[in-house]
Parts: sequence; C-alpha cells; structure tokens
Amino acid sequence: AQSVTQLGSHVSVSEGALVLLRCNYSSSVPPYLFWYVQYPNQGLQLLLKYTSAATLVKGINGFEAEFKKSETSFHLTKPSAHMRDAAEYFCAVSDQAGTALIFGKGTTLSVSS
Amino acid sequence: KAGVTQTPRYLIKTRGQQVTLSCSPISGHRSVSWYQQTPGQGLQFLFEYFSETQRNKGNFPGRFSGRQFSNSRSEMNVSTLELGDSALYLCASSPPGTSGRIYEQYFGPGTRLTVT
Repeated sequence: AQSVTQLGSHVSVSEGALVLLRCNYSSSVPPYLFWYVQYPNQGLQLLLKYTSAATLVKGINGFEAEFKKSETSFHLTKPSAHMRDAAEYFCAVSDQAGTALIFGKGTTLSVSS
Repeated sequence: KAGVTQTPRYLIKTRGQQVTLSCSPISGHRSVSWYQQTPGQGLQFLFEYFSETQRNKGNFPGRFSGRQFSNSRSEMNVSTLELGDSALYLCASSPPGTSGRIYEQYFGPGTRLTVT
C-alpha cells in the first residue's frame, strides 16, 4: 500500500538559511509524488510534482525536490529561506489507482529573522 | 482561469443534522476529489468523481456521499452529523491525465464545517 512519512513535524530555520523538508514514501507501483504548501486558513497550493520524468524537479517559489528511488525519498529544498515561506508543507503520493492522493502528516516551517 | 471554488466557506451545524457542500472545478477539469482535513487525522481522501462516476472512495462511513453533475460541479453530503465531522473539507480538481491517472490536483480554499 502507498504511504508517506514526513520526518519532523516542525522545522525552524533563519531567514537566508537552507530549507530541507524530508519525505519518504512507500509505493507498490511507480509513484507520482507531490509537495503542497498550505498557508493559514487557505487550501493547498501545488509546489511541484514528480511524474517519472526528470528526477530533479523544480517548482514554484524557488523550491525543488529530488526523487531518489534507492532511498525512497523525495525531500524538498530551498537554498535560501524567506519569511514568506513560513507555512505547513505536505508531501503526497498517488494511490495505486492513481485517482487519489495520500498525504503525509505535514511539516510546519518557521522562519525567523 | 478561475481556480477551484467552494461554497460555503464556513458552516455551523448541530449534531444529527445533514449538510451539503459544493465545489466548482477549474474550467475543463473533469475529475473532482474531496478530502477531509482535521488536526488529529490530517488529510484524508473521501472520494473522487470523473464524468459523473465515482472512481475511487476512501475509508469513510456511508454517511458521507457525493455526486458530480454533467458540468463537472460536485457536491458532497454528510448526513447525521457527529462532532467528529468538524473539519476543513477540501475539494480538488484535476486536468485530464494519461490513462486516466491523475498527475496533479488543484485545491480550493475549503469549507470549514463546525458541528456543535
């Protein structure tokens, strides 16, 4: 069965520092993987997706993620954090049927000045 | 292009009542999915509709139901509300993908349901 584990429910960084949010997945079929961001009182915004093309995926707002099959990981990174990046981030994998997303528990990113 | 819209944005209901939530997908999107978000359980998949047919269903009781209309708009209904149904209900729409597989979903702002 498909599942996602996000390591660390809360990550704190200083403005300008590297952001690294960890995601490991389990999938019985070649996975489609996604990162979403949620700001308070809003829906989810798609940051980036991996759908079996290039393993290094670039998304919006300077984020990128690398699909590593050997490590079953899809970690999200950003070279330099900005205050506006403070939000909750969700990693997701498509289910076996490919018609639903299975989400991790989320990681709250705090950015201090 | 307008995004996914959900109505109402906020709703307060009493235990035992029923509620209907509405979702209008992005123009051209034929797949609509519903998710429940709670602090304890996180984001959980409810069901997915494509061309008025339910293709997938999550592990929720029969009190939760949905439908999709010919214009791709969707509604979900919860009958006999319980306190535990208080949640943010998110709708997402998806553009056509290869082999009918969803390769990205765009979410609406959600409907915040409070059951008292």
